[in-house]
Amino acid sequence: AQTVTQSQPEMSVQEAETVTLSCTYDTSESNYYLFWYKQPPSRQMILVIRQEAYKQQNATENRFSVNFQKAAKSFSLKISDSQLGDTAMYFCAFMKQDNAGNMLTFGGGTRLMVKP
Amino acid sequence: NAGVTQTPKFQVLKTGQSMTLQCAQDMNHEYMSWYRQDPGMGLRLIHYSVGAGITDQGEVPNGYNVSRSTTEDFPLRLLSAAPSQTSVYFCASSYSSVWRFTDTQYFGPGTRLTVL
Repeated sequence: AQTVTQSQPEMSVQEAETVTLSCTYDTSESNYYLFWYKQPPSRQMILVIRQEAYKQQNATENRFSVNFQKAAKSFSLKISDSQLGDTAMYFCAFMKQDNAGNMLTFGGGTRLMVKP
Repeated sequence: NAGVTQTPKFQVLKTGQSMTLQCAQDMNHEYMSWYRQDPGMGLRLIHYSVGAGITDQGEVPNGYNVSRSTTEDFPLRLLSAAPSQTSVYFCASSYSSVWRFTDTQYFGPGTRLTVL
C-alpha cells in the first residue's frame, strides 16, 4: 500500500513571496504519478500540477513548480509570487501506474494562508 | 457542460437513517468514484466504477453501497447511517477507466454529511 505524508499542517506566506510545501511518499512501485491539488474554501478540488515518475524533469505550471526527488520519494510544491487567491488547502496525491481504478492516495493536506 | 454535480450540498441524518448521495456527470466519462474527506486527512476512496454496470471497492467501503446503471450517474447509498460516517463526500470522474497521464479527474463540489 502507498502512503503520502505532508508534514506541514499549516503554513503562511506574505503576498508576492515564495513558499514551498513538502510531501513525501512511500511506495514499492517504480512507475506512478504524483499530483498536487488545491482545495479553496469553496471545497472544490482543483488540479494544480502533475508529474510522471519516470520523467526526471520537474513539472512547472506558471507560478507553480515541483521538486521531484524519486530516490528520496519527495515531491515538494513551490509557489512563486504568492497571491491572495492561493490561500487554500493543498493536497499531495499518488496514483499507481497499473490502471487499477485510477485511485488517488492523498496526504493529510497543508493549509496555506497568503497574507497581504 | 455542468461537469460533476452532487446533491445535496448539506445533509443531517440521525443514526440508523438511510439516504442516497447523488452524483452525475455530463462529460461521458467512463470512470467515476466516491471519496470521503475527514478533518486532518486527505480524501479516501470509498467505491469506484469503470463503466456502467461495473463497480468495485476502494479503501473504505464498509457501510456504503453503489451502483452504476447509466454512464452519467453514480449514487452512493448509506443503508444505516452511523456517526462515523460524518464527513464530506466527493464524487470524481475521468474520461477513461484506463488512466493516461493527460487525463484529469474532475471533482464535484462535495456533500457535507452530519450523522447525529
